[in-house]
Amino acid sequence: KNEVEQSPQNLTAQEGEFITINCSYSVGISALHWLQQHPGGGIVSLFMLSSGKKKHGRLIATINIQEKHSSLHITASHPRDSAVYICAVRSGYALNFGKGTSLLVTP
Amino acid sequence: KAGVTQTPRYLIKTRGQQVTLSCSPISGHRSVSWYQQTPGQGLQFLFEYFSETQRNKGNFPGRFSGRQFSNSRSEMNVSTLELGDSALYLCASSLDQGSDYGYTFGSGTRLTVV
Repeated sequence: KNEVEQSPQNLTAQEGEFITINCSYSVGISALHWLQQHPGGGIVSLFMLSSGKKKHGRLIATINIQEKHSSLHITASHPRDSAVYICAVRSGYALNFGKGTSLLVTP
Repeated sequence: KAGVTQTPRYLIKTRGQQVTLSCSPISGHRSVSWYQQTPGQGLQFLFEYFSETQRNKGNFPGRFSGRQFSNSRSEMNVSTLELGDSALYLCASSLDQGSDYGYTFGSGTRLTVV
């Protein structure tokens, strides 16, 4: 069983919709990362969280340490948000990754 | 500032051969970690180096090895290549080992074993 579970696996939304991607983990962590991967492979780090909530533009990430759960929200989604979103948790010196959520935003 | 540079970008090798991949971190970053990404397994941690020392290793066979040089550049080596080693290999650099520092990823090396 993967230590990091993401849902949903795939998500299709219309432009402008509010999107939520969830991440649950089962181990103690020192930080949780949200990553974005576009076709072609490049990975961009969106957020690093150890508590609370962070906001960057239309993206919001929250984490609940007690419930071992994090969410990534995208407000007013746009086709350029189409990508794979990956949750990763840092435990010790290693990053453990979720399988990713493939998001397609249609015009 | 320059990002994380991985070379080569693409590589085709034959089963049984060995391969060396290179990662140059962002200037000043002392931690370099390596990851393998495949369609079936997703992203998996290979190893992390800090100040030329391997601090952690993922669950991969001994055919996978790496090292870090005094300038923080890192290499990973895969010997006796198998078809299943075909993957995107990503490295990421970080300022330090601590959890308060984020990661910057390279564009990856896509290895195809035939």
